[in-house]
Amino acid sequence: QQQVKQSPQSLIVQKGGISIINCAYENTAFDYFPWYQQFPGKGPALLIAIRPDVSEKKEGRFTISFNKSAKQFSLHIMDSQPGDSATYFCAAGSAGANNLFFGTGTRLTVIP
Amino acid sequence: KAGVTQTPRYLIKTRGQQVTLSCSPISGHRSVSWYQQTPGQGLQFLFEYFSETQRNKGNFPGRFSGRQFSNSRSEMNVSTLELGDSALYLCASSLGSVGDTQYFGPGTRLTVL
Repeated sequence: QQQVKQSPQSLIVQKGGISIINCAYENTAFDYFPWYQQFPGKGPALLIAIRPDVSEKKEGRFTISFNKSAKQFSLHIMDSQPGDSATYFCAAGSAGANNLFFGTGTRLTVIP
Repeated sequence: KAGVTQTPRYLIKTRGQQVTLSCSPISGHRSVSWYQQTPGQGLQFLFEYFSETQRNKGNFPGRFSGRQFSNSRSEMNVSTLELGDSALYLCASSLGSVGDTQYFGPGTRLTVL
């Protein structure tokens, strides 16, 4: 059973456009929601994370929007660049444990 | 500060064999978690070690085991390899408190023939 559902599976965006990736979860015990970026041949790298006490967090061109009542969160990449082309994973974890539940990933391609 | 290192980076084994993978965490990190990444199942949590003790365990068979040494380095062992064990095995280290940011290594690509 997939604890975190992620969509879309792939995304193609023009340079300068906005990339939006969505995730949904069921377990209300989750209270930590990180996004990871993975390039081919590399391990995932933490991009940005949010806890449920805020509805939005912004770091540079990356913004997480969090809707606790809907149990959904999303990643927005503003002014997308070709260097952003990678696979993005959302994840969820709870304060009681250090294991993260990952979404299935979104392969983002930014066209110059 | 050096990142998480994993050795070897690539490994080819045959069914029935066993394999040991190694992970050296970031200096000062006391928690090491292991994940399996496959195209079909994505990233799945295997187990976490903290202060040489398994603190958390995912839903994998007993063929998958691990340990952690006093210097926080960790090893993962898979016995009686199956074709389905072919995957990228990632380890992640964190300071140790639950909820701390996990930093991933580059992974070990295991191919089982």
